[in-house]
Amino acid sequence: GDSVVQTEGQVLPSEGDSLIVNCSYETTQYPSLFWYVQYPGEGPQLHLKAMKANDKGRNKGFEAMYRKETTSFHLEKDSVQESDSAVYFCALGGSTLGRLYFGRGTQLTVWP
Amino acid sequence: GAVVSQHPSRVICKSGTSVKIECRSLDFQATTMFWYRQFPKQSLMLMATSNEGSKATYEQGVEKDKFLINHASLTLSTLTVTSAHPEDSSFYICSARDAVQYSNQPQHFGDGTRLSIL
Repeated sequence: GDSVVQTEGQVLPSEGDSLIVNCSYETTQYPSLFWYVQYPGEGPQLHLKAMKANDKGRNKGFEAMYRKETTSFHLEKDSVQESDSAVYFCALGGSTLGRLYFGRGTQLTVWP
Repeated sequence: GAVVSQHPSRVICKSGTSVKIECRSLDFQATTMFWYRQFPKQSLMLMATSNEGSKATYEQGVEKDKFLINHASLTLSTLTVTSAHPEDSSFYICSARDAVQYSNQPQHFGDGTRLSIL
C-alpha cells in the first residue's frame, strides 16, 4: 500500500543553519507529493507541492525535489529562521478518491 | 482562494452529548471532503471520506454509528459525534478538494475543532 516515512521527532537547528528533513515514500501509482506545515491549534497548510517526477516545489526559501529514482521528497532550506518553527508533514496524494497519506510529522524548533 | 471554514473551533461538553462539527468550502465546490482525527504530537488519522450526495466511506476501525457524516451539498459536510465520551476528546480536522481538480491535487484544510468531553 501507499505510505510515507519522514524524519521523526524533533529537529533543533539554530537560526541560520541549513536544514534537511527526510521524506521517503512507497506507492504503486503516480502520486503527487506535498509538504504541509501545521502551527499549534491550527489545521495543516499546504507548504509546497510537486505534481510529477523531477518537479521541484518551492516556498519561503524551502525546496523539495520529487525524485522518483530514490522515492524521496526531502525538505531543504539553506538558512532557517525562528519563524520557520512548526510541525512539518510529508504527504503523498493521488490514489483512489484523492486521499492523502501522511508521514508522522517532524517538529522543527529553530533556536534564535 | 481555496478556503475551508470549520466550526466550532472548540467545544467543551458533558459525556453523553452529541456534537456536530461543520466544514464548509467557502470559495469552491467540494465533491469530496475528508475528516481526520489528530492526537497530541501525532499525525493526522483519516476517519472517513465524505462524498456529496452519497454515503461516507469509513476507514477500518472507525465506528459509523458513533461518527455520523453528512455531505448534503457541494460546500458543506458535517461530522456528528454521537453520545460523546471522554475517549472521543481529540482535535478533529476536515479537508476538501476542489471538485474540478484531479484527485492528485492538494487538499485544503480547516482550522480544526478541539473537542473536550468532560
